[in-house]
Amino acid sequence: GENVEQHPSTLSVQEGDSAVIKCTYSDSASNYFPWYKQELGKGPQLIIDIRSNVGEKKDQRIAVTLNKTAKHFSLHITETQPEDSAVYFCAASKNDYKLSFGAGTTVTVRA
Amino acid sequence: DVKVTQSSRYLVKRTGEKVFLECVQDMDHENMFWYRQDPGLGLRLIYFSYDVKMKEKGDIPEGYSVSREKKERFSLILESASTNQTSMYLCASRGPGVGELFFGEGSRLTVL
Repeated sequence: GENVEQHPSTLSVQEGDSAVIKCTYSDSASNYFPWYKQELGKGPQLIIDIRSNVGEKKDQRIAVTLNKTAKHFSLHITETQPEDSAVYFCAASKNDYKLSFGAGTTVTVRA
Repeated sequence: DVKVTQSSRYLVKRTGEKVFLECVQDMDHENMFWYRQDPGLGLRLIYFSYDVKMKEKGDIPEGYSVSREKKERFSLILESASTNQTSMYLCASRGPGVGELFFGEGSRLTVL
């Protein structure tokens, strides 16, 4: 089955700096790559996703890049703010019901 | 506003007890999921259902069963709870095809 590895497990950044989280996946047939944000005491929420026919996607301060050849994708958060502090999960899927998640990255934005 | 509601936020049970975790969604979604979340392991799929009375095993179904009698409701059952089932349980729903999962706020289960 699909194996998704996520790094780093924790990330501390100064407010205003950028944060980058990287994930690799094992199944070359995977074609859907979402990112979820989980705030304390809440369930994960989709923040951005990318499909394999696209190399990059942006939504305001958030961007995701995908390198299908290398089988890795990354989340970039620019101009970080305190409300960006959360746990972030990457995931991968190949057009079926099953979404395989990474282990998560705890991001702390220091004021 | 779309909503997935899990009936219990916190539960404490004893080893061997039968445990029911209930989940209700108001989006008329066909697909519903139960995940388990543990530190360092991310979210792991226990079971999912793509229609009423239909179910499929996920990655870690051992020790769990599910029930989906109505489209909006998906229940996770621990027939005989064990301490290694202490965890956060997350229910999610999704419309047709591949797309966004909508999660509930989670049920934290402690088995003593």
